[in-house]
Amino acid sequence: DAGVIQSPRHEVTEMGQEVTLRCKPISGHDYLFWYRQTMMRGLELLIYFNNNVPIDDSGMPEDRFSAKMPNASFSTLKIQPSEPRDSAVYFCASSLFRGLTDTQYFGPGTRLTVL
Amino acid sequence: KQEVTQIPAALSVPEGENLVLNCSFTDSAIYNLQWFRQDPGKGLTSLLLIQSSQREQTSGRLNASLDKSSGRSTLYIAASQPGDSATYLCAVGDNTDKLIFGTGTRLQVFP
Repeated sequence: DAGVIQSPRHEVTEMGQEVTLRCKPISGHDYLFWYRQTMMRGLELLIYFNNNVPIDDSGMPEDRFSAKMPNASFSTLKIQPSEPRDSAVYFCASSLFRGLTDTQYFGPGTRLTVL
Repeated sequence: KQEVTQIPAALSVPEGENLVLNCSFTDSAIYNLQWFRQDPGKGLTSLLLIQSSQREQTSGRLNASLDKSSGRSTLYIAASQPGDSATYLCAVGDNTDKLIFGTGTRLQVFP
């Protein structure tokens, strides 16, 4: 298996633009997680899905952020409109069964820069 | 609210040394604890996962211990090598499916 795939790897955009980050989890994994990593706040969970259903989105910072998982092999994280403080590395991770008892496998991340 | 702290924030050691990385958490009601490794510009790789009922886990030169009552975990790296240079993160899982991450220890092992 190729592991968790994220695209794009790097994204540079201007303030106010819409940004869409994409993730393909490992085939057969039931859980998908979106994280954000910054120097100031470390690694934060934004939202996670179980069997394509959003379970907890309490980490989503604002209404400008939205995430979808239309099927088991694809998820998106969208920021509209983007702001400079959204600049961070965004990671997607997946796990096989219940997230508590199985490790999470992380993608390489998308480095987002909002000018 | 669970808070996870890692000490030291950075560590530089010569090759061959045995070293210990520390992780502490404020709420002992955890379900498990994981140690991850992150290389620059890369994602996280899971190293060890300790269930709350376990005291330690070992993988090769790595040994992680867990003391729930004191809210502490340590990652022991034996005979460190330059290839061990990375940031090490611990994360605790509570009774939900979430992981709460520490801020990490940046390790450099020089030849």
